[in-house]
Amino acid sequence: GAGVSQTPSNKVTEKGKYVELRCDPISGHTALYWYRQSLGQGPEFLIYFQGTGAADDSGLPNDRFFAVRPEGSVSTLKIQRTERGDSAVYLCASSLNGGGNTGELFFGEGSRLTVL
Amino acid sequence: QQQVKQSPQSLIVQKGGISIINCAYENTAFDYFPWYQQFPGKGPALLIAIRPDVSEKKEGRFTISFNKSAKQFSLHIMDSQPGDSATYFCAATHMNTGNQFYFGTGTSLTVIP
Repeated sequence: GAGVSQTPSNKVTEKGKYVELRCDPISGHTALYWYRQSLGQGPEFLIYFQGTGAADDSGLPNDRFFAVRPEGSVSTLKIQRTERGDSAVYLCASSLNGGGNTGELFFGEGSRLTVL
Repeated sequence: QQQVKQSPQSLIVQKGGISIINCAYENTAFDYFPWYQQFPGKGPALLIAIRPDVSEKKEGRFTISFNKSAKQFSLHIMDSQPGDSATYFCAATHMNTGNQFYFGTGTSLTVIP
């Protein structure tokens, strides 16, 4: 596709449930990032993939959060035992070779997660 | 700890006026400072960026001023237009060793016709 695609655009779930958020990056972009944006805040780093491997997962808040990118393209962010505090917009971004080379992140429109 | 501090939180400017948003950082290892623009319901999009080897970068109506010694940088929007109404985020990263982009808390800009 022309840009970064994220699905679903909106997800409402109950506390304790499991959710998956999907990101389809720009074709050919090897670097993929997940960010979380709470209301009125800037994007907060969660995890960075270079190819299939998680090069930096230091932003994941706890072990309920996990992300995969098995074939080096599409990525899935997985949240177990969701809590109300997980409610936020989850943004995915991709970059041609990683922020260290081009500096530009291309963001998707985000998946808005609401945990009731 | 907020790596990048941004102000003001919101800004209202008359059409044709100058919008100024300020950011400050602590980590002297940062060497790439982009500004992102975000419209409601959309993801942030790169607007303009600067490296610390220059003090100013201009692209159209948008200018970044960079003060390395003060560890501050700012975005100036000249001849502000209603279409510029959006949320603006400054960010910082270390290009070679880091892949985390640290974002400010955002400035909501409203340009009044």
